[in-house]
Amino acid sequence: SYELTQPPSVSVSPGQTASITCSGDKLGNKYACWYQQKPGQSPVLVIYQNNNRPSGIPERFSGSNSGHTATLTISGTQAMDEADYYCQAWDSSTEDWVFGGGTKLTVL
Amino acid sequence: QVQLQESGPGLVKPSQTLSLTCTVSGGSISSGNYYWSWIRQPAGKGLEWIGRIYTSGSTNHNPSLKSRVTISVDTSKNQLSLKLSSVTAADTAVYYCARARGGYNRYYFDYWGQGTLVTVSS
Repeated sequence: SYELTQPPSVSVSPGQTASITCSGDKLGNKYACWYQQKPGQSPVLVIYQNNNRPSGIPERFSGSNSGHTATLTISGTQAMDEADYYCQAWDSSTEDWVFGGGTKLTVL
Repeated sequence: QVQLQESGPGLVKPSQTLSLTCTVSGGSISSGNYYWSWIRQPAGKGLEWIGRIYTSGSTNHNPSLKSRVTISVDTSKNQLSLKLSSVTAADTAVYYCARARGGYNRYYFDYWGQGTLVTVSS
């Protein structure tokens, strides 16, 4: 089955740029999306189809996807961005949806 | 604005069947090019896709759950349901329903319910 791998944790200072990666075999040939989940809350879509932001998501969130890695970038990271982030893609061979294991973003 | 609300027993005994309902408001569950899905999250762990049903009624589920999953839709009530049979403690999790949109190979979950905790214990 298809697997997506994320680093368990990423730390960033306020105002700096945070990058969270998601790796999978030929992931660049697929569409990746990203969800933000704060404690006790449901996931919220922050990036879809590699680099599109839903309405209401701040411009500091951006995404890219190439080769074997998709990246979520948060520019000018704020304390409110501290959360778990999950990548997700479609496994075309099985037609299943797959999530990465999640990355805890700490803003300190 | 579409809203999803999960409901069902919070406690299920081992070997029994877990049954949950997701009520959709703000839109019809039977219209549009959407998949309606169930996703779960054990405490402190990541998200796991359980299965989905299309507006046409076709279903798919995570092969890791083998044939324990049944997903159906009641269009008259605008509800999605999940049945997971032969549960064990490993099925203890927060269960979410979610809507997927986007088209073949590019689906993403744009609306999620608030989640409901199901504990499997005797």
